[in-house]
Formats: sequence, structure tokens, C-alpha cells
Amino acid sequence: DVKVTQSSRYLVKRTGEKVFLECVQDMDHENMFWYRQDPGLGLRLIYFSYDVKMKEKGDIPEGYSVSREKKERFSLILESASTNQTSMYLCASSWGRNGYTFGSGTRLTVV
Amino acid sequence: DQQVKQNSPSLSVQEGRISILNCDYTNSMFDYFLWYKKYPAEGPTFLISISSIKDKNEDGRFTVFLNKSAKHLSLHIVPSQPGDSAVYFCAASGAQKLVFGQGTRLTINP
Repeated sequence: DVKVTQSSRYLVKRTGEKVFLECVQDMDHENMFWYRQDPGLGLRLIYFSYDVKMKEKGDIPEGYSVSREKKERFSLILESASTNQTSMYLCASSWGRNGYTFGSGTRLTVV
Repeated sequence: DQQVKQNSPSLSVQEGRISILNCDYTNSMFDYFLWYKKYPAEGPTFLISISSIKDKNEDGRFTVFLNKSAKHLSLHIVPSQPGDSAVYFCAASGAQKLVFGQGTRLTINP
């Protein structure tokens, strides 16, 4: 089974800090995704990538950027953390358009 | 614009009875639909899916029904068990990415 590993389960950061969320998958998946989950809003797509060095904006990219230098690693960057970015962040990878596997999530609190 | 909607934020069902979770979508280009289950502090896990060429798919206690004309799908769990208590997300596939609904929190009461 493919495994998607998110580096931190819980993070607390200060407003204005630059924050890096790391995600690594151990299968040879082309596609990787970053979502955030908020109560009542479900899972919203922030950014995704179909290949190394490639990235595309999702539905809510504002305040975020991503990096995919290697196929197995997809990083989400909060350039200047704000309190409205307090959320659960979920990384996923897939071999095609349907076979998503999610990581366990990172609960980020911005104070 | 919410393309995938789960209008019930929560549902409470007695153990052993049927749980029915509903989902509506607006984009007729979606051609594959999935249900994910999520426990607290864990990532969502795949539960069951259905292609738009079918109207029903069954896997053990879980059955998904698709009504394309109504742009509606539902997940039936029977019999419901305490371990089914979780948040359930429906998702629709379009252009290599999934669009998720808001989720329904299912609670199974003993």
C-alpha cells in the first residue's frame, strides 16, 4: 500500500512566520495535492502537482505556495502565516484521477 | 460555488439500523464518484466508489447509489455499527482532481 507521510501532526506558529508543511509519498505517484479541512467547508484544494517542478492552483491558493523538486515530495509553504490559516492540512497522492491516498494530516494553529 | 454538496452536517442512527448519507452535485461532467471516511486526527480513507455508467455499487455493508438525472448519490450502510461513527465525505472526479463535499458527521448510538 502506498504511504503518504506528513512530517508534523501538530504545529503552532506565530502570525507572520514562514511555515513549511512537508509531504512525502513512497510510491511512484505522479499526482500530489494539498487540501485544507475546515468545519462546514469540507476539503478544499489549495494546490496540486502532476509532475516534478509543475504546480497548479486549486480553489484557495491565496497566501500559499508549493514546491515539488522531487517526485516523492510536495511541500506547502505559508509565506506569512495568518490566524485564518489555522486549519487541518491534508496531503494526498494518486496514480490517476481517482486513487487518492491521504496522509494523516497536520493540525496547524497560528497564534 | 459548491459543486458537491452534502446538506446534512450530521446524522445520528441507532446501531443495527440503516444509515443513509446523501450528496448532490452540479457539474454534469463529473463521471466518477467516491466516498471517503475520516476519523479525528487521521486522513480520509477510501470507502467505495461508483462510475457514472452504473447506478449502484455494493461492497459488504456499504452500497452507493447514483441517480444521474437528479445529480444525486447516496451511501447506505446496513447494519450500522459503532465503528462507523466518523465524518463521511463524498467526492466527484473531474479533470484529474477530486472535488469534495462538506462532510456529514455520522454518529452510531448503541
